[in-house]
Amino acid sequence: EVQLLESGGGLVQPGGSLRLSCAASGFTFSSCAMTWVRQAPGKGLEWVSAISATGGTSYYPDSVKGRFTISRDNSRNTLYLQMNSLRADDTAVYFCAKGPGRAVAGKEVDYWGQGTLVTVSS
Amino acid sequence: DIQMTQSPSSLSASVGDRVTITCRASQSISSYLNWYHQRPGKAPKLLIYAASSLQSGVPSRFSGSGSGTDFTLTISSLQPEDFATYYCQQSYSTPYTFGRGTKLEIK
Repeated sequence: EVQLLESGGGLVQPGGSLRLSCAASGFTFSSCAMTWVRQAPGKGLEWVSAISATGGTSYYPDSVKGRFTISRDNSRNTLYLQMNSLRADDTAVYFCAKGPGRAVAGKEVDYWGQGTLVTVSS
Repeated sequence: DIQMTQSPSSLSASVGDRVTITCRASQSISSYLNWYHQRPGKAPKLLIYAASSLQSGVPSRFSGSGSGTDFTLTISSLQPEDFATYYCQQSYSTPYTFGRGTKLEIK
């Protein structure tokens, strides 16, 4: 059974940093692209970042480019999201999700974790 | 960025009804269109990928169609567990944008 367990969320002040983790099990982590998607309270879904299976290629929207960094440790079956220079509008539940194959390009995400809440507030 | 426009934004229907949700892309995305639904307090779940392919384990009452800029998700006979918010997403070019969602409520 595919399991994705996010951790690392919490309350952080504006301008602060946080690192999210996603522990994966039940599938061959090193063979799957991975994605972070966030959802602000009461709002829709926003694609935040994605990384290929090897970690060699990563993608970001302009809203987080230069502030967020996605990475992975295939030896630990763990995905990360380093978030710096956090702003109030980064407040959201952050979901980790897996792709069906090695590449990000052109692909959906087929399993999601339950999410971890990040609150940016003074 | 590619903009995804869903309609309607909300919809009331009854168990057993046939329901259609539409999604329009701001430019052609071929068939790189996915559908998810999300129940309150839960993670999203993949229903349809590549516009018309049914994800494994998803009931056959769900179907998708379209290509280019116009897409539809159809639920042939609504079941109680189908009342949720539905999102389309393009995976044609990054950032892989979502529609704003369609909330499907019980009439």
